[in-house]
Amino acid sequence: EAGVTQFPSHSVIEKGQTVTLRCDPISGHDNLYWYRRVMGKEIKFLLHFVKESKQDESGMPNNRFLAERTGGTYSTLKVQPAELEDSGVYFCASSLGLWSGRAVDEQYFGPGTRLTVT
Amino acid sequence: TQLLEQSPQFLSIQEGENLTVYCNSSSVFSSLQWYRQEPGEGPVLLVTVVTGGEVKKLKRLTFQFGDARKDSSLHITAAQPGDTGLYLCAGPNSGYALNFGKGTSLLVTP
Repeated sequence: EAGVTQFPSHSVIEKGQTVTLRCDPISGHDNLYWYRRVMGKEIKFLLHFVKESKQDESGMPNNRFLAERTGGTYSTLKVQPAELEDSGVYFCASSLGLWSGRAVDEQYFGPGTRLTVT
Repeated sequence: TQLLEQSPQFLSIQEGENLTVYCNSSSVFSSLQWYRQEPGEGPVLLVTVVTGGEVKKLKRLTFQFGDARKDSSLHITAAQPGDTGLYLCAGPNSGYALNFGKGTSLLVTP
């Protein structure tokens, strides 16, 4: 079974340009998450989709970030216009979305997209 | 946001040694998870602890959840080079979102 895939693996863009990151979740996983790790900081949650709906976007930094998941399959995260502080590794994860009342189910992470804004 | 502090930040040991890494918070978590991340890859779940005082073992790795559910530890017995990696603890924030610690970077040399 294929895992979570992300494209591209690396992206180097100039400040002010636009970049679109793509995530393909594990087939059958309705829940899709985006996280980001900025250098020297912890991995931080950005948003959570259930199928095509945004369940929680409390971690999105500002309105330069736009996430979509049309059709409930793959997702894209667009940064427009990119700023220097957007540099980091963007992780996508997916899960079945089972909640036991105490613990979330396993989130499967992709390898990440390393974004460098110069 | 519930903060998770991990210590030590870096750890370099020789094969065969034992080690313990810690994950602490001032907040109570309903559960905590431990992940391991290798270079160029995403985090991979090792274990989820749910009950205060719970101890789980995964081969040479022993995970413990504090009685008050504010802290957790990971103990590795007889470390091997294959244990090298970044160990992350994480807990649910609101809903399904995970809060992560900064991680402990472990290097085990032969």
